[in-house]
Amino acid sequence: AQTVTQSQPEMSVQEAETVTLSCTYDTSESDYYLFWYKQPPSRQMILVIRQEAYKQQNATENRFSVNFQKAAKSFSLKISDSQLGDAAMYFCAYRSGDFGNEKLTFGTGTRLTIIP
Amino acid sequence: ETGVTQSPTHLIKTRGQQVTLRCSSQSGHNTVSWYQQALGQGPQFIFQYYREEENGRGNFPPRFSGLQFPNYSSELNVNALELDDSALYLCASSPDMGQAYEQYFGPGTRLTVT
Repeated sequence: AQTVTQSQPEMSVQEAETVTLSCTYDTSESDYYLFWYKQPPSRQMILVIRQEAYKQQNATENRFSVNFQKAAKSFSLKISDSQLGDAAMYFCAYRSGDFGNEKLTFGTGTRLTIIP
Repeated sequence: ETGVTQSPTHLIKTRGQQVTLRCSSQSGHNTVSWYQQALGQGPQFIFQYYREEENGRGNFPPRFSGLQFPNYSSELNVNALELDDSALYLCASSPDMGQAYEQYFGPGTRLTVT
């Protein structure tokens, strides 16, 4: 079974600074997908960024980028130029590459606080 | 904000009772998944429905059951409620099965069992 570990329960960063959230995972599969989701106080889970395991290039979405290290099974999220609206719980998630296996396996989350 | 809605927003039930939670997917979304998120935890996969058939189930007992309807709505039913069932229940829909498709989450239903 796949597992996802987020070792930082809480992180804080000054507004406009850069912060990195860590995630490691365990799997025996070679084809899979990794995600970072944001859950603000409104509770609605929002996709921040996704990474296909077969792609060597790290995914980027505006101020959000990942450092995907497949051999080390590490998938960290970097947020640049942090903004007050980035304050939320951030979850790392894994999905198998097997067609029909749509299950997302989540980590326990990191609460990110932005300091004005 | 996605087009996935859930009702009710909050719910309080007594141990042993039964509860039905509802989810309305975006139009055209054939796949819906349900997750349980206990306080301070990440969501745990309960099950998924594809075109009204169950397609995958997590480590949850049979008293957790579901239905998916042709009008893109779905239900999560929980019988014989236990205190540990207190959690945020999230549904997520996607247009079809396959890794190309993003799952869109609803805002959840907060269930409290007393």
